[in-house]
Amino acid sequence: DIQLTQSPSFLSAFVGDRVTITCRASQDISNYLAWYQQKPGQAPKLLIYAASSLQSGVPSRFSGSGSGTEFTLTISSLQPEDFTSYFCLQVNSYPLTFGGGTTVEIK
Amino acid sequence: QITLKESGPALVKPTQTLTLTCSLSGFSITTDGVGVDWIRQPPGKALEWLAVVYWDDDKYYRSSLRNRLTITKDTSKNQVVLTMTNMDPIDTAIYYCVRRLRFGSRYYFDHWGQGTLVTVSS
Repeated sequence: DIQLTQSPSFLSAFVGDRVTITCRASQDISNYLAWYQQKPGQAPKLLIYAASSLQSGVPSRFSGSGSGTEFTLTISSLQPEDFTSYFCLQVNSYPLTFGGGTTVEIK
Repeated sequence: QITLKESGPALVKPTQTLTLTCSLSGFSITTDGVGVDWIRQPPGKALEWLAVVYWDDDKYYRSSLRNRLTITKDTSKNQVVLTMTNMDPIDTAIYYCVRRLRFGSRYYFDHWGQGTLVTVSS
């Protein structure tokens, strides 16, 4: 199985900060990676697919990059509604696997 | 509006069989290119993919659970059903049903249900 190591698990930031979350794969997954946002009590929301493609309707402050084994999700200017959890997903091969998640807290 | 809604027992006993139903709205499980997956998340742990069924009835399972899982679709009811046999307390988790769609050369999950908590306890 492909392992996804997501870091950090937790980060504290101010409104307006630029933050970056990393997802490292245990083997080459090309660009077959997605990023999701999950708010408490809500279904996860697709932000980025194919490592860097912005899902329709997602604000442009979210961006993704990377290929192979290292990927990043960047939020260019944190907004109050962005303080929640994020996780990555690889769809390169079965079984599909997920990162452990990152919680972004207001400092 | 696309929605997926999980239903099933909140509590099952060890060794029992769990049956979960995902009711789909706003799209059909028979639509070309659509798939519906089951994913679970044990308390405090990462998400774990379980199984998928595609519009053409192609299916894939998590290999480590293959002998316990069955995924089926009921096209007349527009539902997807997951059964898991021989339940154990370690199977306690929130179970999600999720739609997948093709984006470019791969499928990604674009809509998730709210999830249903299943506790395994005697």
